Amino acid sequence: KAGVTQTPRYLIKTRGQQVTLSCSPISGHRSVSWYQQTPGQGLQFLFEYFSETQRNKGNFPGRFSGRQFSNSRSEMNVSTLELGDSALYLCASSLATGVVQETQYFGPGTRLLVL
Amino acid sequence: DQQVKQNSPSLSVQEGRISILNCDYTNSMFDYFLWYKKYPAEGPTFLISISSIKDKNEDGRFTVFLNKSAKHLSLHIVPSQPGDSAVYFCAASARRNDMRFGAGTRLTVKP
Repeated sequence: KAGVTQTPRYLIKTRGQQVTLSCSPISGHRSVSWYQQTPGQGLQFLFEYFSETQRNKGNFPGRFSGRQFSNSRSEMNVSTLELGDSALYLCASSLATGVVQETQYFGPGTRLLVL
Repeated sequence: DQQVKQNSPSLSVQEGRISILNCDYTNSMFDYFLWYKKYPAEGPTFLISISSIKDKNEDGRFTVFLNKSAKHLSLHIVPSQPGDSAVYFCAASARRNDMRFGAGTRLTVKP
């Protein structure tokens, strides 16, 4: 079974631009979560989508948004990029069977550099 | 708010010895805990998990211990191998997929 895939793997943008990242979950997984990883900060939870609806949200500004399509694929958008948005953006998927305790499986990430 | 803390940014051990990685949490509502391993340029890989109804879970060389009263969990790797060298993240969740991660501990296993 194919794992979580993310595109693009690397991206360079300039301040003020906007960017869209894509994530395809493991087949059959219905929940997709997004995380930002910066040095020393670990993984910061951005948001989670399930059945095309945002189910959970972390403490990030409104410049960070996302959506999920009917095939469970998800996109994340960051508008008006700032230098501090440079990070590794990770997507994770899980089955979302309704069981409370679930394991998330991560993609390789998209490395975003804002100049 | 750092609800999950890994206070040791790095750990170095000799091959064959035990590696102990520690993690503390503050939210008493957390009921599911996981450890992930991450190599450079790759996403985190799930390693092992433990539910709050247990205090120990073992999978091969990896054992996770949970002390709910101390809000502390640890990952033991025995014996440590050079291929275990990676960054290890502790994670916890209180409901479904609202997962919080620690900052990570870089483990180096020396041959």
